[in-house]
Amino acid sequence: EAQVTQNPRYLITVTGKKLTVTCSQNMNHEYMSWYRQDPGLGLRQIYYSMNVEVTDKGDVPEGYKVSRKEKRNFPLILESPSPNQTSLYFCASSLFLAGIEGIDTQYFGPGTRLTVL
Amino acid sequence: QKEVEQNSGPLSVPEGAIASLNCTYSDRVSQSFFWYRQYSGKSPELIMSIYSNGDKEDGRFTAQLNKASQYVSLLIRDSQPSDSATYLCAVKGIKAAGNKLTFGGGTRVLVKP
Repeated sequence: EAQVTQNPRYLITVTGKKLTVTCSQNMNHEYMSWYRQDPGLGLRQIYYSMNVEVTDKGDVPEGYKVSRKEKRNFPLILESPSPNQTSLYFCASSLFLAGIEGIDTQYFGPGTRLTVL
Repeated sequence: QKEVEQNSGPLSVPEGAIASLNCTYSDRVSQSFFWYRQYSGKSPELIMSIYSNGDKEDGRFTAQLNKASQYVSLLIRDSQPSDSATYLCAVKGIKAAGNKLTFGGGTRVLVKP
């Protein structure tokens, strides 16, 4: 089954304790992205990657790191989490063929609900 | 001005009626447009994508795109209680790096039996 998986699905942690949220896709997609979703602010992009070893900042990258060492995996790293990073996080992936109908659709993982105390 | 704007709702429609959702965008050269449905606490699920002016139908859903007026809409015919969700409009501009999507805030739809 084609899918994007994220782990953990729920995480409660404390300020300053490093954590990693994993994201994996089995569709051989080049493009992967991380979003956070907050009430009243909608979905905002954190980081994205257009292929292995190619990553770039989205709209809200502060406090986050990513890496893309393999095509299927795109982990999100919070080196020193703070309470303002409490949010619902989504990973998404797509083929990297812009503007071609049916090809550039982004598929989302199930989400990770993070609480930083 | 927000890049992608939607009425937050809630849009309340009786079961069996047509729900009409609108979305406007600011980037005149946007090229890809998507409607996602999101149930509370769940991930966005693609309903429709549209790339050319006009209408595109898929089952009970019809997306309409008007690039000159910079709006995209979604019609849900024969609305069912299971259609109660938040509908997200997403736009990809030609200037957007990679496949970056810009999302509207979403319209909450309530279908009442």
